[in-house]
Amino acid sequence: EAAVTQSPRNKVTVTGGNVTLSCRQTNSHNYMYWYRQDTGHGLRLIHYSYGAGNLQIGDVPDGYKATRTTQEDFFLLLELASPSQTSLYFCASSATGGTGAEQFFGPGTRLTVL
Amino acid sequence: GDSVTQTEGLVTVTEGLPVKLNCTYQTTYLTIAFFWYVQYLNEAPQVLLKSSTDNKRTEHQGFHATLHKSSSSFHLQKSSAQLSDSALYYCAPTGDTNAYKVIFGKGTHLHVLP
Repeated sequence: EAAVTQSPRNKVTVTGGNVTLSCRQTNSHNYMYWYRQDTGHGLRLIHYSYGAGNLQIGDVPDGYKATRTTQEDFFLLLELASPSQTSLYFCASSATGGTGAEQFFGPGTRLTVL
Repeated sequence: GDSVTQTEGLVTVTEGLPVKLNCTYQTTYLTIAFFWYVQYLNEAPQVLLKSSTDNKRTEHQGFHATLHKSSSSFHLQKSSAQLSDSALYYCAPTGDTNAYKVIFGKGTHLHVLP
């Protein structure tokens, strides 16, 4: 009954490979986010969305595409994966973009690019 | 630009002693709520504390924080650290309805020693 789920939980690919990370939320939240987490950098925002079909660029978007197909589903695409994209990726959702709304995080996907 | 500055790196404290994790922020958007998120080992970040009222102490799970807008600070404190408090802590000022982004600090690792 987890409200934010991610798949896969672990992924290994090679340089130049094509990777899609999936996120689904059942919170009925409008906003969804993709972060990467790296030691020394904390959580960094890649892309976010405030509804189906909407996409906003985050702080570290280079090398990533994202698509929000429904209110529930948000995908992160790495079309030419590089070793620098090895990281722990979190998806999150919130009821509103600001107004003090708490973000609810998924369990994370650990991606390794060889 | 927008920034959040937290106590850097690792904070080590002996069980039973007080602990303080610093957070100061600088944002171009109107910040109306402030969060501390906690991330335990191999888990996702989750909200520990939230505050939106200037100069009001907020408490949860033995931790407390007071928002001081005059000094742009929202430090996290606990009078008696527990082993179970060992985790990664993020400070996150959150904006108004037109600011969808949440700026996370780089995080502070708290290690409580027996």
